Amino acid sequence: NAGVTQTPKFQVLKTGQSMTLQCAQDMNHEYMSWYRQDPGMGLRLIHYSVGAGITDQGEVPNGYNVSRSTTEDFPLRLLSAAPSQTSVYFCASSATNLGKLFFGSGTQLSVL
Amino acid sequence: EDQVTQSPEALRLQEGESSSLNCSYTVSGLRGLFWYRQDPGKGPEFLFTLYSAGEEKEKERLKATLTKKESFLHITAPKPEDSATYLCAVQAPNFGNEKLTFGTGTRLTIIP
Repeated sequence: NAGVTQTPKFQVLKTGQSMTLQCAQDMNHEYMSWYRQDPGMGLRLIHYSVGAGITDQGEVPNGYNVSRSTTEDFPLRLLSAAPSQTSVYFCASSATNLGKLFFGSGTQLSVL
Repeated sequence: EDQVTQSPEALRLQEGESSSLNCSYTVSGLRGLFWYRQDPGKGPEFLFTLYSAGEEKEKERLKATLTKKESFLHITAPKPEDSATYLCAVQAPNFGNEKLTFGTGTRLTIIP
């Protein structure tokens, strides 16, 4: 079982560049989300989706876009990378709305 | 605003030395409290859900308990493979996964 698959594992960007972090799950979960994890802070929600075609903002959405065209995929787009977006990004999915999340292995992003 | 505080930040134990990790929370009501384990370079892995004060859950050497103000993760006779960061999260009533508040974690090291 693949579970939640994130690519790439590592990425270095220059300020102003754009890129897409990929996330795919094979568990047929309706709920998917993106978090960022920074030292000394808890996981913070960027965007989430409760099903194909439905997305909404989380706690820290600025500078990021998402779309959900299929149940399986939930890409995160950085529009114009900034050093403040240096972080570890996690994609997660869930079969319910009750906190049992399945996380991917993360993308470590550095913006120079 | 919901808050989760985990203590200690880091804990070093000898193999076989039992201890407890603390998760204190402030939330208006509680829909659920969740424990996750995170290994270096990996995404969090779900361990337990607790819903009401007095509830306990066990898995191998781990036991999670819940009161109205805090949760404890008790580790009995730990082994080196229990070394990880343990995260706690709370979910407020009337909300779904979009309102999970995560703590910053306790980094546990078990010395052989």
